[in-house]
Amino acid sequence: GQQLNQSPQSMFIQEGEDVSMNCTSSSIFNTWLWYKQDPGEGPVLLIALYKAGELTSNGRLTAQFGITRKDSFLNISASIPSDVGIYFCAVRGNTGNQFYFGTGTSLTVIP
Amino acid sequence: GAVVSQHPSRVICKSGTSVKIECRSLDFQATTMFWYRQFPKQSLMLMATSNEGSKATYEQGVEKDKFLINHASLTLSTLTVTSAHPEDSSFYICSAIRTGGSNSPLHFGNGTRLTVT
Repeated sequence: GQQLNQSPQSMFIQEGEDVSMNCTSSSIFNTWLWYKQDPGEGPVLLIALYKAGELTSNGRLTAQFGITRKDSFLNISASIPSDVGIYFCAVRGNTGNQFYFGTGTSLTVIP
Repeated sequence: GAVVSQHPSRVICKSGTSVKIECRSLDFQATTMFWYRQFPKQSLMLMATSNEGSKATYEQGVEKDKFLINHASLTLSTLTVTSAHPEDSSFYICSAIRTGGSNSPLHFGNGTRLTVT
């Protein structure tokens, strides 16, 4: 299947710091998605991106769809303890109903 | 909108028994649903694609006779783990796409923690 390279694999930050993670692909995709998964729960959609170059915010979260359509980043500003979790990027395949996921970024926020 | 309900959230069963997990789209129709398995600290592993009114499509290495999928309506898919064994213990997550949305994202259920003793 398609491979998404997500980095970093894990992050340990102080409360109040900003966070940035990114996702790259060797193929072009037209839909990029960012999810957050809390322990023992299913992933929750944070931001959906549909247009190359698009920059979208959801509260303290900002995500951008790369102009080449091969990458995306997610920024979290002024982190708080409840930001702890695993963040996954995902893309929707260009034909049919396939979705491909990154390996996840585990975020730990130290109070 | 776009709420997916998965039930049960936790189940413990004895080896050899079968367990059914339900996935419902509560406020939208979902022609296609997906079943994932997730191991600790790992990403989501797609098991099968569930299509309303037709047979599920299983990923390579997933036993279709062991993991029975039924998608009898536009809002319900079920996964039955048959003759469960301890190695089937895992976190199972379903997801759904809104019917007709060519760019629609996936929406996930809350997962089911299966423990086979």
